[in-house]
Amino acid sequence: EVHLVESGGGLVQPGRSLRLSCAASGFSFEEYAMYWVRQGPGKGLEWVSGISWNGNTRDYADSVKGRFTISRDNAKNSLFLEMKSLRAEDTALYYCAKDRLGSLGYFDYWGQGTLVTVSS
Amino acid sequence: DIQMTQSPSSLSASVGDRVTITCRASQDIDNFLAWYHQKPGKVPKLLIYAASALQSGVPSRFSGSGSGTDFTLTISSLQPEDVGIYYCQKYNNAPWTFGQGTKVDFK
Repeated sequence: EVHLVESGGGLVQPGRSLRLSCAASGFSFEEYAMYWVRQGPGKGLEWVSGISWNGNTRDYADSVKGRFTISRDNAKNSLFLEMKSLRAEDTALYYCAKDRLGSLGYFDYWGQGTLVTVSS
Repeated sequence: DIQMTQSPSSLSASVGDRVTITCRASQDIDNFLAWYHQKPGKVPKLLIYAASALQSGVPSRFSGSGSGTDFTLTISSLQPEDVGIYYCQKYNNAPWTFGQGTKVDFK
């Protein structure tokens, strides 16, 4: 059974950094693109970033480009999101999501999310 | 970037009603469209991909149609567990943009 477990969220001051992790199990992690999707309080879904199976292709939403970095460790079945220069508008529940079939760009499994709150 | 616009933003219906939600892309995305359902307080669930293909385990009362810029999600007979927010998402290329969501509840 596929499991995605996010961690690393918390309360952080504006301008500071945070690193999110996602531990994956139940599937061949190295064969799938992975993504981060966030949901602000009372808001809709916003795709944040995606990374190909081998890490060679990385995409970012304009809202986070230059501040966030996605990475993965296939040996440890783990996905990461390094977030720098955090802003109040980055406050959200951050989900880790798995591509349905390789690198198609839509998501069949989601973690429960980790909450990031940016506030002074 | 391509924008995804859903309508209506919200709707109220009765059990057994036929419900239709539309999603419009600002440019042609062929059939690279997925639909998700998010129940209150829960994680989003994939319903449909490739505009009309039903994800495994999803009830057959859900169906999708469309191609190009105009897409539709239909629930043939609304059930109590169908409440929540429905999102469309394009995936022809990055950014993998979601629509703003359509909230479905009961009258």
